[in-house]
Amino acid sequence: GQNIDQPTEMTATEGAIVQINCTYQTSGFNGLFWYQQHAGEAPTFLSYNVLDGLEEKGRFSSFLSRSKGYSYLLLKELQMKDSASYLCALHDFNKFYFGSGTKLNVKP
Amino acid sequence: DTAVSQTPKYLVTQMGNDKSIKCEQNLGHDTMYWYKQDSKKFLKIMFSYNNKELIINETVPNRFSPKSPDKAHLNLHINSLELGDSAVYFCASSRPTGDGGTNEKLFFGSGTQLSVL
Repeated sequence: GQNIDQPTEMTATEGAIVQINCTYQTSGFNGLFWYQQHAGEAPTFLSYNVLDGLEEKGRFSSFLSRSKGYSYLLLKELQMKDSASYLCALHDFNKFYFGSGTKLNVKP
Repeated sequence: DTAVSQTPKYLVTQMGNDKSIKCEQNLGHDTMYWYKQDSKKFLKIMFSYNNKELIINETVPNRFSPKSPDKAHLNLHINSLELGDSAVYFCASSRPTGDGGTNEKLFFGSGTQLSVL
């Protein structure tokens, strides 16, 4: 496997900023993806990185450092609806390898 | 106008039975997948088809047999169900991200929660 690690659970306050980290061990991949999954629902695409650096998409940004084997998802201006699991995934040769996800609890 | 639809959403059955899950996508994508999400929330790929041809079979027991009659459909048939097959099964399709590379963006169905008793 790709040994993708994410924190199991995080809690943050509405309106705050939260960073969800993802580390991996692999020799190469095409891109690193972030998906959001609300309880009982399907994962939906949030953001992805091919090159090192920051990709910004509204309140969500994703960062990648290939040399450090590290990515993070940054969520700004947290809303209650952001309570969900966030899945980090590597795309390599037609396959996606998913981490187990980070469950984010947003409290008022 | 659901993009990736799978049925049924819930499936409760006895050990040893045979069951099928159907999946259809109206996005015009060439590639479709079956993923299994276990109780620890790991999403693992099972199969991938491209234009009706099997391209990935991820060491899944041969009790699981996918069938793709056309590129818009990918069904999953499971024989002799076992307790360990209980999980949520997601169908997905994908398209290139359009960045000039080989990345694909996944679109998931709503999942089928299979419970084997």
